Amino acid sequence: TQLLEQSPQFLSIQEGENLTVYCNSSSVFSSLQWYRQEPGEGPVLLVTVVTGGEVKKLKRLTFQFGDARKDSSLHITAAQPGDTGLYLCAGESGAGSYQLTFGKGTKLSVIP
Amino acid sequence: ETGVTQTPRHLVMGMTNKKSLKCEQHLGHNAMYWYKQSAKKPLELMFVYNFKEQTENNSVPSRFSPECPNSSHLFLHLHTLQPEDSALYLCASSHNRGVYEQYFGPGTRLTVT
Repeated sequence: TQLLEQSPQFLSIQEGENLTVYCNSSSVFSSLQWYRQEPGEGPVLLVTVVTGGEVKKLKRLTFQFGDARKDSSLHITAAQPGDTGLYLCAGESGAGSYQLTFGKGTKLSVIP
Repeated sequence: ETGVTQTPRHLVMGMTNKKSLKCEQHLGHNAMYWYKQSAKKPLELMFVYNFKEQTENNSVPSRFSPECPNSSHLFLHLHTLQPEDSALYLCASSHNRGVYEQYFGPGTRLTVT
């Protein structure tokens, strides 16, 4: 069974600070996706990384896929209250299954 | 209307009731999914449909019955639920080839009393 461990589980920071959250596994994934979920809503896809070592930027968010495609990180620069939410990573095994393996998420609170 | 829609957004039902959740996607996808999201647990995949055919059933109790009449619509029929079934039920859709980026609906918050 593939597992994705996300850390930290909770993070509370002041507006303007930088932060990094992690998504780790002992399994290799063909791709990895990051989602943000706000309370009472469904997850919204932020980015998909496919190639080992790949780095993608989305405004103040930087996503990196590990060289071995077993882990990923999300770095937020100058966090804003609008970044508050649950950040989920999800890995695709690439074995012909439609299933994504989800982590439990990192709950981020950005305090004004 | 765009994306993935779900109705109702909130549902309170007794353990003897029968209700249905509806999901519709306007993204031209061929795969659709039902997930359960409970507090302190990762998203749990319940069912997967590809071109209206069920391809995954992750040991879901029979009190949950999915239906997929076409690639754009997905239903989850509920009957004789238990209080522990209270959760956010999410529908998602994706293409069925390449990278399976999943697009989620807003969910139905279900409370079983």
